[in-house]
Amino acid sequence: DAGVTQSPTHLIKTRGQQVTLRCSPKSGHDTVSWYQQALGQGPQFIFQYYEEEERQRGNFPDRFSGHQFPNYSSELNVNALLLGDSALYLCASSFRGLNTEAFFGQGTRLTVV
Amino acid sequence: AQSVTQPDIHITVSEGASLELRCNYSYGATPYLFWYVQSPGQGLQLLLKYFSGDTLVQGIKGFEAEFKRSQSSFNLRKPSVHWSDAAEYFCAVGDIIQGAQKLVFGQGTRLTINP
Repeated sequence: DAGVTQSPTHLIKTRGQQVTLRCSPKSGHDTVSWYQQALGQGPQFIFQYYEEEERQRGNFPDRFSGHQFPNYSSELNVNALLLGDSALYLCASSFRGLNTEAFFGQGTRLTVV
Repeated sequence: AQSVTQPDIHITVSEGASLELRCNYSYGATPYLFWYVQSPGQGLQLLLKYFSGDTLVQGIKGFEAEFKRSQSSFNLRKPSVHWSDAAEYFCAVGDIIQGAQKLVFGQGTRLTINP
């Protein structure tokens, strides 16, 4: 079992550009959540996808959007990048419902210059 | 709003010494509680979780945590730390909205081990 895989590992973008991050969930998981972790901070919830729809959203602007595909993999898109978007972006997968644990990928380190 | 507080930003202990990392939460209902560990440049690995039942939970790598509802705490402990335990530790509460669960994390505690 490959676990949760994210790509790319590292990324450097210029302010104003757009970026797409990708996540493949752990085998059998149907729910994908995205988190942003700024340097020295705990992860902050961005949004969660289940059945190809956004089910919950954290306090992030509309510049952050996502998608889930029929195979449960997911993308996170960020438009009009700001310097403050520089962070580690973590993908977590789980089974839908309560009493479930989330498995995290290694993350994508995004640097905006 | 749900929140998690980890009062200690950085803790240093000697190898072989005991460890306790503090975590306090704010949540209206019975909480789902988690401890995760993060090595530099890595993702998060689940150490242990509390959903219900026995308030003392055992996890991986010799860690345990005790849920104390009266103190809104979920402190992580290990009787004897190893150099490989040096990492960042995050406490989290599961926030249930519309039947789905998201995690609310604390700021983290960085653990340094002295040889």
